[in-house]
Amino acid sequence: EVQLVESGGGLVQPGGSLRLSCAASGFTFSNSGMSWVRQAPRKGLECVSVISGSGGDTDYAHSVKGRFTISRDKSKNTLYLQMNSLRAEDTAVYYCARSAGGNFDYWGQGTLVTVSS
Amino acid sequence: DVQMTQSPSSVSASVGDRVTITCRASQGISSWLAWYQQKPGKAPKLLILAASSLQSGVPSRFSGSGSGTDFTLTISSLQPEDFATYYCQQTNSFPYTFGQGTKLEIK
Repeated sequence: EVQLVESGGGLVQPGGSLRLSCAASGFTFSNSGMSWVRQAPRKGLECVSVISGSGGDTDYAHSVKGRFTISRDKSKNTLYLQMNSLRAEDTAVYYCARSAGGNFDYWGQGTLVTVSS
Repeated sequence: DVQMTQSPSSVSASVGDRVTITCRASQGISSWLAWYQQKPGKAPKLLILAASSLQSGVPSRFSGSGSGTDFTLTISSLQPEDFATYYCQQTNSFPYTFGQGTKLEIK
């Protein structure tokens, strides 16, 4: 059974940093593209970042470029999102999802990030 | 970036009804379109990819069509568990953008 379990969310002040983790199991993590998708309260979905199976290719939404960094550790089957210079508008539930050509076929349960003073 | 526009934003329907949701891309995306269903407090679920291919395990009452800029999601006979919010997403180019969502409510 495929499982994606996010952790690391919480309350952070504007300008602060947070690192999200996503533990993957039930599929060949090292061969799979992965992504982070967020959803602000009562809003729609935004794909903020993707990473290739090898980890060599990454991409970011304009709204987070230069502030967020996606990475993966194949030895731990874990995906990460390092978020720096956080803003109020980054407040959202962050989901990790497996990406098959941009189709997000498996999702975690999400972790809430709240940016507020 | 490719902008995705869904219509309607919300729709009320009854169990057994046929419902169609439309999605329009701001530029041609061939058949690179996916549809998702999201229920309150839950992660989205992939229903359809490549505009018309049903994801494994998704009931056959769901179908998708279209190419280029105009796409539709059809639910042939609504079931109680289908009341949710539906999103389209283009997978043609990054950033993979989503429509604003269509909330399907019980009449």
